[in-house]
Amino acid sequence: AQSVTQLGSHVSVSEGALVLLRCNYSSSVPPYLFWYVQYPNQGLQLLLKYTSAATLVKGINGFEAEFKKSETSFHLTKPSAHMSDAAEYFCAVSLLGGGFKTIFGAGTRLFVKA
Amino acid sequence: NAGVTQTPKFQVLKTGQSMTLQCAQDMNHNSMYWYRQDPGMGLRLIYYSASEGTTDKGEVPNGYNVSRLNKREFSLRLESAAPSQTSVYFCASSELGTSGKNTGELFFGEGSRLTVL
Repeated sequence: AQSVTQLGSHVSVSEGALVLLRCNYSSSVPPYLFWYVQYPNQGLQLLLKYTSAATLVKGINGFEAEFKKSETSFHLTKPSAHMSDAAEYFCAVSLLGGGFKTIFGAGTRLFVKA
Repeated sequence: NAGVTQTPKFQVLKTGQSMTLQCAQDMNHNSMYWYRQDPGMGLRLIYYSASEGTTDKGEVPNGYNVSRLNKREFSLRLESAAPSQTSVYFCASSELGTSGKNTGELFFGEGSRLTVL
């Protein structure tokens, strides 16, 4: 069975600083990996996804993530935080085929200080 | 584009009451899902429908029932609400198929906040 672990329920950075949100997964077969963002009182929207093509994936709003199979990690980064990045971020893993389902991590809330 | 639409957005129930959350998508997706979101627990899958005419239990199905009314609509019913079902409920949809279009991306509604007293 697959699972997702997000390290740190809360992360605080200063505006302009590097954003690093950590995600580790376990899966018995090559997974598809996702990062979703949730702004207050809204649903989740896709930030980026890894689907077995390039291991470095670029998403919206300047975010990117690197798939590292040896470390079973899919950490999310952004070189310079902006106040508008304050939100909750969810890492997720899914397997395709029969019984297709997505499993989410617990989420990391990002705070950006002025 | 409406995407995924959920109703109602807010609801307060008393213990033992019943209600149905409605969800509709206009993207012609095959698969639809109901998740609940609780603080510190991420999103947990309640039920899903891989295609029209099929439904399956997810991680936390107890106390819920679903109906895939047609390809567009997927409803979630609480027959006898309990305080433990106080949560934010999200409906989502995705494409499912053997073509290259299927990358598993989920499209979410804005959520339904349910409080059970």
